[in-house]
Amino acid sequence: LAKTTQPISMDSYEGQEVNITCSHNNIATNDYITWYQQFPSQGPRFIIQGYKTKVTNEVASLFIPADRKSSTLSLPRVSLSDTAVYYCLVGGAGTASKLTFGTGTRLQVTL
Amino acid sequence: KAGVTQTPRYLIKTRGQQVTLSCSPISGHRSVSWYQQTPGQGLQFLFEYFSETQRNKGNFPGRFSGRQFSNSRSEMNVSTLELGDSALYLCASSLVFPPSGGDTEAFFGQGTRLTVV
Repeated sequence: LAKTTQPISMDSYEGQEVNITCSHNNIATNDYITWYQQFPSQGPRFIIQGYKTKVTNEVASLFIPADRKSSTLSLPRVSLSDTAVYYCLVGGAGTASKLTFGTGTRLQVTL
Repeated sequence: KAGVTQTPRYLIKTRGQQVTLSCSPISGHRSVSWYQQTPGQGLQFLFEYFSETQRNKGNFPGRFSGRQFSNSRSEMNVSTLELGDSALYLCASSLVFPPSGGDTEAFFGQGTRLTVV
């Protein structure tokens, strides 16, 4: 499975847009890029998944450049409740059942 | 529909004892995976079950085992508990064969917080 690298922590003020970039230089042709969010003492929660270009849902956008060696999770207008750890994962079909988590990015949102 | 249910939520055991944790997946999901989360090691994959068979296993000692029943519910067992087994144990369920192709998301339960004293 492709190894991912993301910042250990980030700080933001409420109402700002937050962009978390993940590097995955060894991503394979069949790999998807998936982001999970985890609050303390809870299980991770799926945020968004993409293969190329841009994907948007009701909570976030995912930007993937043409070479797919990196991706950026964009959280519009964050609130205090977005304070959590965000994990970037890459994997091919069928890997949802055996996820490999890295260290994640701890996002702290303050007033 | 109901999410992934893990029981119990909290558990305190003493060293040397054994423990059994339970997980009920989302209805229709036949794959159940288990993860261990500790401050030092992060989230680590333990094993995965599908149709009552263990399909994948992480790098954990044989004291960690599991099983899956015909209704897809799963249990994991840890024997001869050690202090280092104190962790949040998470269960996740997923579709194995996504209708749209590609990968699918895993749905996690709230976890069982195990404390070994």
